Amino acid sequence: AQSVTQLGSHVSVSEGALVLLRCNYSSSVPPYLFWYVQYPNQGLQLLLKYTSAATLVKGINGFEAEFKKSETSFHLTKPSAHMSDAAEYFCAVRDIFGNEKLTFGTGTRLTIIP
Amino acid sequence: DTGVSQDPRHKITKRGQNVTFRCDPISEHNRLYWYRQTLGQGPEFLTYFQNEAQLEKSRLLSDRFSAERPKGSFSTLEIQRTEQGDSAMYLCASSSRLDRGNYGYTFGSGTRLTVV
Repeated sequence: AQSVTQLGSHVSVSEGALVLLRCNYSSSVPPYLFWYVQYPNQGLQLLLKYTSAATLVKGINGFEAEFKKSETSFHLTKPSAHMSDAAEYFCAVRDIFGNEKLTFGTGTRLTIIP
Repeated sequence: DTGVSQDPRHKITKRGQNVTFRCDPISEHNRLYWYRQTLGQGPEFLTYFQNEAQLEKSRLLSDRFSAERPKGSFSTLEIQRTEQGDSAMYLCASSSRLDRGNYGYTFGSGTRLTVV
């Protein structure tokens, strides 16, 4: 079964500093990968996705992620953190075949320090 | 159409009562999903519809849970004889197979269920 592991349930960065949220996947075949953001008491918003095209994926709000097959990773980065980035971030994986069921990681809560 | 709508946003119920949630997907989306998210966890897949057909159900969906999508439009998720362990955020999402550039879902804001 596919799965993703998010290292670090809580990450704190200073405003203006680099944001790095880690995600590693477990799959025998490179899957489709996603990053979602969730604000308190809200649903999930898609930040970006990897669907076997370009390995460096740019998303909304200045976020990007790089798919590295050799490391089975799909880490999320943003060069300069903003206070509005404070939220919960989820990495998710789905099979490229079959239905579109997503398997989510346990999430990383990002705190921005003024 | 502004997105996926879920109703109600919050529901508090006594243990043993039945509850029903509604999800209205984006109108042109033929696929609809239900997920459950407990505190501090990522969403977990519950069930999936393509049009009116329920194509997959998770083992998390016990006999007390039932989901329908009549006419392939809105969907309802009913929980019978609620238990405290059912307390969670129930998320609905929709997608379209025709949207080849997307691959991702559009999620609703969720229904937060508290069983007391």
